[in-house]
Amino acid sequence: GAVVSQHPSRVICKSGTSVKIECRSLDFQATTMFWYRQFPKQSLMLMATSNEGSKATYEQGVEKDKFLINHASLTLSTLTVTSAHPEDSSFYICSAELGGTEAFFGQGTRLTVV
Amino acid sequence: AQSVTQLGSHVSVSEGALVLLRCNYSSSVPPYLFWYVQYPNQGLQLLLKYTTGATLVKGINGFEAEFKKSETSFHLTKPSAHMSDAAEYFCAVSENQAGTALIFGKGTTLSVSS
Repeated sequence: GAVVSQHPSRVICKSGTSVKIECRSLDFQATTMFWYRQFPKQSLMLMATSNEGSKATYEQGVEKDKFLINHASLTLSTLTVTSAHPEDSSFYICSAELGGTEAFFGQGTRLTVV
Repeated sequence: AQSVTQLGSHVSVSEGALVLLRCNYSSSVPPYLFWYVQYPNQGLQLLLKYTTGATLVKGINGFEAEFKKSETSFHLTKPSAHMSDAAEYFCAVSENQAGTALIFGKGTTLSVSS
């Protein structure tokens, strides 16, 4: 089956620094990828839709200047959390769309800001 | 607008017992419905999905779900629970069959005791 890889799986950073999370489709090309955020013991919330070669579309309430998304190639989308603060600590998960048939999820990234 | 309600944040069953996880949806367009499973600190795995056609959908690991339009429900069942079924389960709705830009329910934690 299609594989989506996220890196890193866990990251701890200091408050005020920036963190980049990568989402790669390993065996297929994905023109569209999605970023979700999951707070402890809560559901996943769609943050943004990442489109290859164009600007991401952010959901209401998501700060685009804080969560920078770059989808520079058909197999890679990155999410950069800028000037991270403890409240940004969360589980971030990406998914990649395979040809309009199914979306495959990465394994997630646990971000802890201290 | 679409939304998903999962009744019961925590369900406990004995090994071998019936598993029933409830999901109701709201959608202004014909819905595409999904069930995902998440193990601790991991991404999401698709269990099954309803797009069109047969309303009883069979998925992996012995799970199945029935789409009932009149009840706006998509409950997940498994005849006999196994210890390995203990996980978090999410019901989700999308406007497309690929399951992109998903709207998730809050999730149900399934515990299985021996």
